[in-house]
Amino acid sequence: QKEVEQNSGPLSVPEGAIASLNCTYSDRGSQSFFWYRQYSGKSPELIMSIYSNGDKEDGRFTAQLNKASQYVSLLIRDSQPSDSATYLCAVNGQDYKLSFGAGTTVTVRA
Amino acid sequence: DAGVIQSPRHEVTEMGQEVTLRCKPISGHDYLFWYRQTMMRGLELLIYFNNNVPIDDSGMPEDRFSAKMPNASFSTLKIQPSEPRDSAVYFCASSLGWSNQPQHFGDGTRLSIL
Repeated sequence: QKEVEQNSGPLSVPEGAIASLNCTYSDRGSQSFFWYRQYSGKSPELIMSIYSNGDKEDGRFTAQLNKASQYVSLLIRDSQPSDSATYLCAVNGQDYKLSFGAGTTVTVRA
Repeated sequence: DAGVIQSPRHEVTEMGQEVTLRCKPISGHDYLFWYRQTMMRGLELLIYFNNNVPIDDSGMPEDRFSAKMPNASFSTLKIQPSEPRDSAVYFCASSLGWSNQPQHFGDGTRLSIL
C-alpha cells in the first residue's frame, strides 16, 4: 500500500471553475501536510501547508485536512490557465520523512 | 533571497562515467535533502543531512551512489559508475528545522546516461 495516494487524474476543468484534488495517507501519526505545484520541466513549488484539522485559505487556494479520515484536499477556485500543472500532496510521517503522492495533473481549459 | 541552487542543470554522459551533482542550500537551512524523480517512481527521497551530517541514506539505490556535505553551504551527490537506469531528474531541497517546516526545492539536474 502506498503511503500517500492521490486521485490519478488527469483533471480537466473549464476556466473559472473549481478544481478539487484529493489525497489520502496511511500514517495516522502524520502531523504536517503540504501541497506542491510542479509545472512541466520545473521543480516542485510549495503552495500550501496545513497542520490542523479544518480549512486553510490562501487566495484562490483552500486546503482541507481531516486527520480522523486521513484525508487532505486542495480546492482551486476560479481556475486559470496558469493553474495547469501537476499538484503533489506531501505528508510528513512519524519517521519525519516527507512522502509524496504520484501527483494529479490539472488542465484548465480556456 | 537566493533559493536552493543546483548545478549543472543538464548532464549527458556515457554509461560508466562518474557523475557529480552539486547543491547549495538556502542560507541558514539546517536540513538538506536529495530526491530523484522519474515518471515510473515519482519523487523519491535518496538521502538527507542535518547540520552537515548524513541522517538517513536508506533511499540510496546502490553503492554506486554517494553523497557528502562538507559544509553548511555545499553538498554533492555522486554516481560512479553511472548506468542508463540512473537517468532521471535529481532535486536538492532544504528546510529550516524538520517535521513542520516545508522543503524548498532547487531547479533540479536533468541527468541522461547514454
